[in-house]
Amino acid sequence: QSALTQPASVSGSPGQSITISCTGTSSDVGRYDYVSWYQQHPGRAPKLMIYEVSNRPSGVSNRFSGSKSGNTASLTISGLQAEDEADYYCSSYTTSSTLVFGGGTKLTVL
Amino acid sequence: QVQLQQWGAGLLKPSETLSLICAVSGGSFSGYYWNWIRQPPGKGLEWIGEINHSGSTSYNPSLKTRVTISIDTSKNQFSLKLNSVTAADTAVYFCARGYWNDRSSDYWGQGTLVTVSS
Repeated sequence: QSALTQPASVSGSPGQSITISCTGTSSDVGRYDYVSWYQQHPGRAPKLMIYEVSNRPSGVSNRFSGSKSGNTASLTISGLQAEDEADYYCSSYTTSSTLVFGGGTKLTVL
Repeated sequence: QVQLQQWGAGLLKPSETLSLICAVSGGSFSGYYWNWIRQPPGKGLEWIGEINHSGSTSYNPSLKTRVTISIDTSKNQFSLKLNSVTAADTAVYFCARGYWNDRSSDYWGQGTLVTVSS
């Protein structure tokens, strides 16, 4: 299975909004509404930020939102804050009953 | 509060078998999928495989021939074995709890760095 495609890096200034894309195929992202997003700070375990495309777990800021169109899912962070600087990964369930991750996106807050 | 505590050998020689255990406390063991995920130094996340409380497994096709995930419901533990390791298997290995439908992982272990070196 091939990794989902994410941009290697994105950046934004405090207060701005950024969007990270995650492109898969009709066998994963496009097939199910089972896309998740994770935030990972250096040396830490990933943290679930979005599940089922657009749902936020309890305790996750409403500045984080998710969406999907066709084979591409997106994570949007509004009101960018310094603490949002981290690596972000998408994942999707697949028609082979497996899970696939994106390559990761490094978010820099300028 | 759900906690995942993992342990296992951190230094292996090529051709040896990687073995890790993850113990789950503070929550139900059934109704979830229990995952192993790894991250090579400086690289992204790679899903290794999963198991549910009934013992049903699914593996990453690229690792399937070398991986075994098992479960011990009496101890609320699940384990990972990866045989014939090479330097390419050097990574931080995480265990995680996955939801039954979308497999999103809300609780993670602390991670174990496994280094393969002669």
